[in-house]
Amino acid sequence: AQTVTQSQPEMSVQEAETVTLSCTYDTSESNYYLFWYKQPPSRQMILVIRQEAYKQQNATENRFSVNFQKAAKSFSLKISDSQLGDTAMYFCAFMKGYNFNKFYFGSGTKLNVKP
Amino acid sequence: SQTIHQWPATLVQPVGSPLSLECTVEGTSNPNLYWYRQAAGRGLQLLFYSVGIGQISSEVPQNLSASRPQDRQFILSSKKLLLSDSGFYLCAWSVAGDLNTEAFFGQGTRLTVV
Repeated sequence: AQTVTQSQPEMSVQEAETVTLSCTYDTSESNYYLFWYKQPPSRQMILVIRQEAYKQQNATENRFSVNFQKAAKSFSLKISDSQLGDTAMYFCAFMKGYNFNKFYFGSGTKLNVKP
Repeated sequence: SQTIHQWPATLVQPVGSPLSLECTVEGTSNPNLYWYRQAAGRGLQLLFYSVGIGQISSEVPQNLSASRPQDRQFILSSKKLLLSDSGFYLCAWSVAGDLNTEAFFGQGTRLTVV
C-alpha cells in the first residue's frame, strides 16, 4: 500500500515571505505521479501543482515550486511571496502510474499567512 | 467543460438513520469515481472507487456502501448511521486511462450524526 506523510500539521508565514511544506511517501512503484492540493476555507479542493516521477526537473507554477527527491521519496512544496489568499490546508497526494488512478492523500498541513 | 455536482452540502442525521449522498459528473464519459472522507484534523481517506457502472471497490471496511447506477452517478449510502460516520465527504472524478489526469473534486458534504 502507498502511504503519504505530512509531518507539519500547521505552519505560519509572514506575507511576502517564503515557506516550504514537507511531504514524504512510501511506495515500491517506479512510475507514479505526485500532487499538491489546496483546500481553502471554502473547502473546495484545488490542484496546485503536479510532478511526474520520471521527470527529473522540478515542476513550477508561478509562485509554487516543488523539490522532488525521488531517492529520498520526498516531495516538498515551496510557496514564494506568500499571499493572504494562500491561507489554506495543503494536501500532498500520490497516484500510481498505471492501471487505475487511485489517489492517496496525506493528513494535510494548515498554512496561515499573516499580514 | 466538465463539472461535478455533490449534494446535499450539509446534513444532520440521527444515529441509526439511513444515509444517501449523491454525486454526478457532467461533460465527460466513463470517469473514474471516488468517495473520500475527511475527518476533523485528518487527511482524506479513500472510501470507495469505481471504474464503471456497477463496479465498486472498497478501500476500508466500514458502515458505508457505494453504488454506481449510471455512468456518471455515484452514491454513498448507509442503512444505519453511527456517530463515527460524522465528517466531511468528498466526491471526485478523474479521466480513466489518462496518466495526465488529476482528481477533480465536488464541493463536499458536511455530515453530522447526532
